[in-house]
This record gives sequence, C-alpha cells and structure tokens, in this order.
Amino acid sequence: EVVLTQSPGTLSLSPGERATLSCRASQSVTNDYLAWYQQKPGQAPRLLIYGAFNRATGIPDRFSGSGSGTDFIFTISRLEPEDFAVYYCQQYKTFGQGTKVEV
Amino acid sequence: QVQLVESGGGVVQPGRSLRLSCAASGFTFSSFDMHWVRQAPGKGLEWVAVIPYDGDNKYYADSVKGRFTISRDNSKNTLYLQMNNLRPEDTALYYCAKVTSLGHYFDYWGQGALVTVSS
Repeated sequence: EVVLTQSPGTLSLSPGERATLSCRASQSVTNDYLAWYQQKPGQAPRLLIYGAFNRATGIPDRFSGSGSGTDFIFTISRLEPEDFAVYYCQQYKTFGQGTKVEV
Repeated sequence: QVQLVESGGGVVQPGRSLRLSCAASGFTFSSFDMHWVRQAPGKGLEWVAVIPYDGDNKYYADSVKGRFTISRDNSKNTLYLQMNNLRPEDTALYYCAKVTSLGHYFDYWGQGALVTVSS
C-alpha cells in the first residue's frame, strides 16, 4: 500500500508570498491519481486539485499542482488571508499527514 | 445542491456499538461510490471504508476490518456505518464523502459526526 509523505510539516509565510508543498509517494501513483485538499478549522476538507494538476470546480488559479510518478508539488502562487489552512495530498485510500500553512 | 448530512454520533463505552447515517441529496446517490473518512482530534485524515454504487465489494481499513460494516440503502439515499466493539482509538469525527464522476477523489463531504469512545 502506498505511503504519502508530505513536507514540510509546517510552513510559515505571509500573505502575498508563494507556498510550495511537497508530497512524495512510496511507490509510483497510478495514472497520477493524486489530489490535494484544503481543510480549515472546524470545516470538512475541500477538493482543490485532482489528477495531479487539474483544478476542481470553482478553485482559483493561484492554486496549482504538478508532478508525476512519486513526486508531486502543490503551489499557491500568492497567499491570500483565507489560504492559511492545512493541506493534504491523497491517493485513493491514502492521505498524507498534512502540511499546515500558517502566518 | 449536493448535501451530505451525518447523524448518529455520540459518546459510547469501549466494546459497545454505534451506527452512523449519512443522508444524501442533490445528486443521483445510486450512481456513486461512497466512503467514510475519519479524523481523530487534532490529527490527520484516515480513510475508513468504501462501498460501490451497487453495494457490492466493500473495502475497509485494516484498523476497522471485522468491527465496522459499511452499507447503503439507495431507495433512501442513505449511507451507513455500523461500528461494533468500539475502542478508544476509534474516537474521531467521521465524515461521509462522495467520489467524483472520475472516482478516486472526494468532491463532497458531510460536516462530520463525532464519535467519542470513553469509559
């Protein structure tokens, strides 16, 4: 079973800065079935990116995903105040441990 | 619009049982696989179980296999999770989640049902 390792655990940035998050899989991800979710306190996760680089419906273009095989990157080009949250990568039944993006 | 509403959470003693429900609306429930995902307090997301659109070939996380049963009633647009022999480590917020038309990803989540296992 694939294990997803996210880094860093916490990212301390300011509004307007660029955030780069990593998700590494223990084995190649089939057909790049890799997704990214955002979770804010007290809320359910929200799908942002699927298929490694496709934005979900209604997701702003400051959010992007890239990568293939075992190494995937999630980028927020310019942080807005509402983007400070925890981000998870997911490959079907497996989630990464999350990266907290904090001010 | 798509809505998923969980119910049935609560406080229960170790070894006891609880059944969660997830009422679905706003989409053709019988056409989509459905999942349960849980989140222990202050922790990350853990996948729990999946049931295909037709109710066959269910799969479970090793941590709940043999104790939890996922089921659905497509006539009632409702998903269930029967949890038996509960352990303190099952304490979590339990989300039901709908997959996208592509499968593999969760595009809609409920608000969660809190299960606390404590003596």
